This record gives sequence, C-alpha cells and structure tokens, in this order.
Amino acid sequence: DQQVKQNSPSLSVQEGRISILNCDYTNSMFDYFLWYKKYPAEGPTFLISISSIKDKNEDGRFTVFLNKSAKHLSLHIVPSQPGDSAVYFCAASAGGNQFYFGTGTSLTVIP
Amino acid sequence: EAGVAQSPRYKIIEKRQSVAFWCNPISGHATLYWYQQILGQGPKLLIQFQNNGVVDDSQLPKDRFSAERLKGVDSTLKIQPAKLEDSAVYLCASSLEAGGYEQYFGPGTRLTVT
Repeated sequence: DQQVKQNSPSLSVQEGRISILNCDYTNSMFDYFLWYKKYPAEGPTFLISISSIKDKNEDGRFTVFLNKSAKHLSLHIVPSQPGDSAVYFCAASAGGNQFYFGTGTSLTVIP
Repeated sequence: EAGVAQSPRYKIIEKRQSVAFWCNPISGHATLYWYQQILGQGPKLLIQFQNNGVVDDSQLPKDRFSAERLKGVDSTLKIQPAKLEDSAVYLCASSLEAGGYEQYFGPGTRLTVT
C-alpha cells in the first residue's frame, strides 16, 4: 500500500526556470513532510521539511507547499540550476515515527 | 563532521547465501535506521534502533533478516538465506534522536542476488 505517491517519474526543466515536483499522500494522520535529494551512488540528502501546521516553508531557492485538504505537497525550485539534477523523494510521517517515502521524481535541468 | 559510513558498497551473492552489511552512524546520533530501496521505489524502513533497543521492526522479514546494534553505535544487517527479491540498495541512516526528523543517510550497499 503506497501511502506516499509521486506520480511523475521524471521532469525536465530549462536552467533558470521553475521546477515543480509533486507528491500526494493518503494517510490523513501524516503531520510532517520532508523532501530529500539523491545523486547517483549516494544516499539521500535532506533538503527541506514542513509541518502540518504550516502551508509553506521556504529555504533559499527551495519552497515546499502543503495543501492538507487535498493531501498534496509540492516542491518549487526557483531558479533551477544544472546542479539540481537529481532524484527527489518526498517522505511523510505521523508523529515522528516511521517515514514513508514516495517513489521519486528524476529532475533534469537542461543548461 | 564525518557522515554515515557503510560497507561494503557493492555485493554480489548467489541465492541462498548469506550476507552482512555494516553501518557506522554519525557520532552522537542515538537513532539508527536500515532501509531497503528496490529499483524504482522509494526507501522502505526495515528496522529502527534507539540506542541499543529496537523501536520498530514491523517491516523486517524476520525469517531471513536480522539486525543488531551493539553498544548503541555500529550496526549490522544480515540476510540469511538471500532470495532474488532481496536485490536492492540497503541504506543506513541516523538521526540525533527518535522523532528527530532530519535523517542523515549513508551511501548505501548495492546487493545483487543471482
């Protein structure tokens, strides 16, 4: 049972443009969400997080939006850079316990 | 600050053989996690330790998988006997505390079972 879904396996964006990565979840008990970035042959690296009491969190070029009613979150990268090319995973947890990961979206930023 | 270390990085074994993976978390991190990531999927938690104790092992196939964390530091994950479907990347992660949301991942061990 996939509780966290990333329906777009891949995304290509021109350098300088906005990248929008989407994530949907089914469990209404999830109250904490994270985005991880993964380069080939490396482990995932924490990128940004958001608590369910917020609907937006921003860190530099990265912004995460949470729509609790739609059970949807998105990661915006503005402006996109070639170094952002990686696989992005969203993850969710209920009460800080087990994290459930999505299947990932492979982002390619074209110079 | 040294990151999470894992070894080996790659391992190829035949089905029914056994294999062990090692993880050294970030110094001072109380919580350690083992994840299995099958190709095309996201990481799936196998087991979570808080210091020496097991917090969650509900998704660990206990008939063939075992894990231990001696002295609350290093951890080993063992598979015996391996099956073809165990082919995956095994990721170790650590966090400062349980519910400490930022988990730091190691590079993973890629296991191929033939």
